[in-house]
Amino acid sequence: GAVVSQHPSRVICKSGTSVKIECRSLDFQATTMFWYRQFPKQSLMLMATSNEGSKATYEQGVEKDKFLINHASLTLSTLTVTSAHPEDSSFYICSASHRYNEQFFGPGTRLTVL
Amino acid sequence: AQSVTQPDIHITVSEGASLELRCNYSYGATPYLFWYVQSPGQGLQLLLKYFSGDTLVQGIKGFEAEFKRSQSSFNLRKPSVHWSDAAEYFCAVGPDNTDKLIFGTGTRLQVFP
Repeated sequence: GAVVSQHPSRVICKSGTSVKIECRSLDFQATTMFWYRQFPKQSLMLMATSNEGSKATYEQGVEKDKFLINHASLTLSTLTVTSAHPEDSSFYICSASHRYNEQFFGPGTRLTVL
Repeated sequence: AQSVTQPDIHITVSEGASLELRCNYSYGATPYLFWYVQSPGQGLQLLLKYFSGDTLVQGIKGFEAEFKRSQSSFNLRKPSVHWSDAAEYFCAVGPDNTDKLIFGTGTRLQVFP
């Protein structure tokens, strides 16, 4: 149980375009979803926390107009990287939680902006 | 502020050897502690977690970790490493007043045959 999927697993886009990444909890209802960013050989940095039906809470330094998060249902959250630039290239990982202090992680999405 | 330190960036061991990965945390109260493993290009898999109770925690894949309050440590151990254990290992702390996780910088484990 507690499976989280992400789609796409890999995306390459041109600079200036927007990219949407989906995160789904497949076998449970996630009251909270988290979005992380991971640079090569580095740790995970929390970008934002989203609760179903409410606005996401962004970490300090994360541009909320750049990284749009929507958590429309208890099984789906989306991260849209707007007007992507090469510096946005990274590995984006989501996690989902249905009880306190227990997160289940998706397999990640590799974004490459040319 | 809460923080997690993994002093070892890279560890190399021979297959069959024992393993200990270090993790130290900084937090005023007793935190929730986690160890995750990440294979290349993959998400994170939970190995084990400590919330309270017995300070020696058993996890999956033969891993265990011991919470030592006096040392603010939560080191991960395995008595005999397998080649498939080669991966990146992250220690994380979850403060008890939030759902967030704070990750250490990770330790990359390399296993030689």
